[in-house]
Amino acid sequence: DAGVTQSPTHLIKTRGQHVTLRCSPISGHKSVSWYQQVLGQGPQFIFQYYEKEERGRGNFPDRFSARQFPNYSSELNVNALLLGDSALYLCASSLEVFGGNTIYFGEGSWLTVV
Amino acid sequence: SQQGEEDPQALSIQEGENATMNCSYKTSINNLQWYRQNSGRGLVHLILIRSNEREKHSGRLRVTLDTSKKSSSLLITASRAADTASYFCATDNAGNMLTFGGGTRLMVKP
Repeated sequence: DAGVTQSPTHLIKTRGQHVTLRCSPISGHKSVSWYQQVLGQGPQFIFQYYEKEERGRGNFPDRFSARQFPNYSSELNVNALLLGDSALYLCASSLEVFGGNTIYFGEGSWLTVV
Repeated sequence: SQQGEEDPQALSIQEGENATMNCSYKTSINNLQWYRQNSGRGLVHLILIRSNEREKHSGRLRVTLDTSKKSSSLLITASRAADTASYFCATDNAGNMLTFGGGTRLMVKP
């Protein structure tokens, strides 16, 4: 079975632009989460979606938004890009959100803002 | 904010030696998960240990959890050059939202 898949793998954007990142969870997984990893640091939680509803949000500005579709895939949108948004954006999926499930990550989308 | 802190931040050993990485955290947890990350790549899940467990093994990996000290350790035995990577611990208070530490960068020299 395919793991968590993300697209695009790399992209370069200009300050002020908008970006959309996409994620497909492992088949059968209902929960998708997004993390931002700045170079040299550990990942930071952005959003969690379960059954198409937002269940958690990290300490990120309103420029960041996400949604989950009926097939459980997800999009992360970032508006008005800043240089500081340059990072590896990781998508993760899990079967459920209860009971301490293993969380699997994709390869990430590298975003460079110039 | 980061809940877990790994120690050491960097570790360099010879192939065949054991590598031990430690993780401390601040609040109560439901479980703790260890991940490996090769440079510029995604996170690979290694082990999940629940708050009521004290030790788990997977191949050459051994993870311990001491909830009274709010700490965990990852031991890699008989290390190989291919184990060179960054290792992260991540805590889950509930609901599968992970809080990561800053990671330990492991270099295994052939």
